[in-house]
Amino acid sequence: GEDVEQSLFLSVREGDSSVINCTYTDSSSTYLYWYKQEPGAGLQLLTYIFSNMDMKQDQRLTVLLNKKDKHLSLRIADTQTGDSAIYFCAESSWGKFQFGAGTQVVVTP
Amino acid sequence: DTEVTQTPKHLVMGMTNKKSLKCEQHMGHRAMYWYKQKAKKPPELMFVYSYEKLSINESVPSRFSPECPNSSLLNLHLHALQPEDSALYLCASSQDWEGSYNEQFFGPGTRLTVL
Repeated sequence: GEDVEQSLFLSVREGDSSVINCTYTDSSSTYLYWYKQEPGAGLQLLTYIFSNMDMKQDQRLTVLLNKKDKHLSLRIADTQTGDSAIYFCAESSWGKFQFGAGTQVVVTP
Repeated sequence: DTEVTQTPKHLVMGMTNKKSLKCEQHMGHRAMYWYKQKAKKPPELMFVYSYEKLSINESVPSRFSPECPNSSLLNLHLHALQPEDSALYLCASSQDWEGSYNEQFFGPGTRLTVL
């Protein structure tokens, strides 16, 4: 099975908070990343977290890491229509990236 | 300049054609990557170049041939492709490949259609 798992779809109303979840299996992962991909575009790094941190906040984005459960989440506050995209979590451990399948976030007015 | 550029943006080719995809970065990154991405799927790693040398080939068919002419450029030469090779081809770069922090900067991709 996949080393990084995500739920595939999330629908959220404009102005609400979105929470995207991710689980990973490689306990040696040192960094975990969240990338955003809009239709027809490449991947844009949103944020990352080092494995010895529990939380990282960057403006509307909050990343939570539960290293014991190997669970990563991304919270987007005050979700806007421009946040509609596919969000990939990824882990890296001295080399290759392992991406999750991606969560499609649809923001409705 | 924190940009990775890719040309062309779109490419349509027949199964007997030979074409090349190009990627360029001027961030001084020493690692460059080619990924293949099918619709609604995550990127799949194809090749990694580190210091202009091929470090990883993920068992990619020989009809895909990468080339790294210098530290800023990465090419992907295509020959005798199959329709199932139609996908978005993404180039990325990072400071280095084997470091613990490996933020990869992605280009916008080339949308390839094989007829």
